[in-house]
Amino acid sequence: GNSVTQMEGPVTLSEEAFLTINCTYTATGYPSLFWYVQYPGEGLQLLLKATKADDKGSNKGFEATYRKETTSFHLEKGSVQVSDSAVYFCALSLFSGSARQLTFGSGTQLTVLP
Amino acid sequence: EAGVAQSPRYKIIEKRQSVAFWCNPISGHATLYWYQQILGQGPKLLIQFQNNGVVDDSQLPKDRFSAERLKGVDSTLKIQPAKLEDSAVYLCASSSFRAQGGAFFGQGTRLTVV
Repeated sequence: GNSVTQMEGPVTLSEEAFLTINCTYTATGYPSLFWYVQYPGEGLQLLLKATKADDKGSNKGFEATYRKETTSFHLEKGSVQVSDSAVYFCALSLFSGSARQLTFGSGTQLTVLP
Repeated sequence: EAGVAQSPRYKIIEKRQSVAFWCNPISGHATLYWYQQILGQGPKLLIQFQNNGVVDDSQLPKDRFSAERLKGVDSTLKIQPAKLEDSAVYLCASSSFRAQGGAFFGQGTRLTVV
């Protein structure tokens, strides 16, 4: 079946540090890939997406590139801020029958210290 | 554009009691998801609707959980009777074809079973 594997957390960084959160996937087919962010007490918000190989999704300084050859979609940010502290989820979407399934990884907790 | 609305935000019940959650998706979104998110884990799909039909309920504990989507719009998720292990956040999300597999989430309902 389809699955998403994320690097284990938690991750703690100082403000302005470089961030990488690893994500790899297993899928039968060519999925769309997503990063979602969840702030404390909130639902998930779509951060960025990529729908085909070599696409780069970007938003709010975060980037991720769809790498088909390594089945990866790593999240990066050049300089993190305290306000980036949240849980980050990698996800894939793939058609199964008549509808798209959306499958999530286990999440990575990021804490940014001032 | 209004987001996905869920109610209640919080619910505390005793084990063996019943509880119901309500979700109003974004207008025009044909796909509706219910996810269960246990603390520290990624969201797990319970049931997925396409309009008012079920397309995936393979992980729904059908002996105690039920869900319906009336007229392809609002949806309710019910648990009867609740167990301690049902304590979690229940997330509703909706999606359209244009979203290319991404979904928009409500704020969730935090259920505590004591």
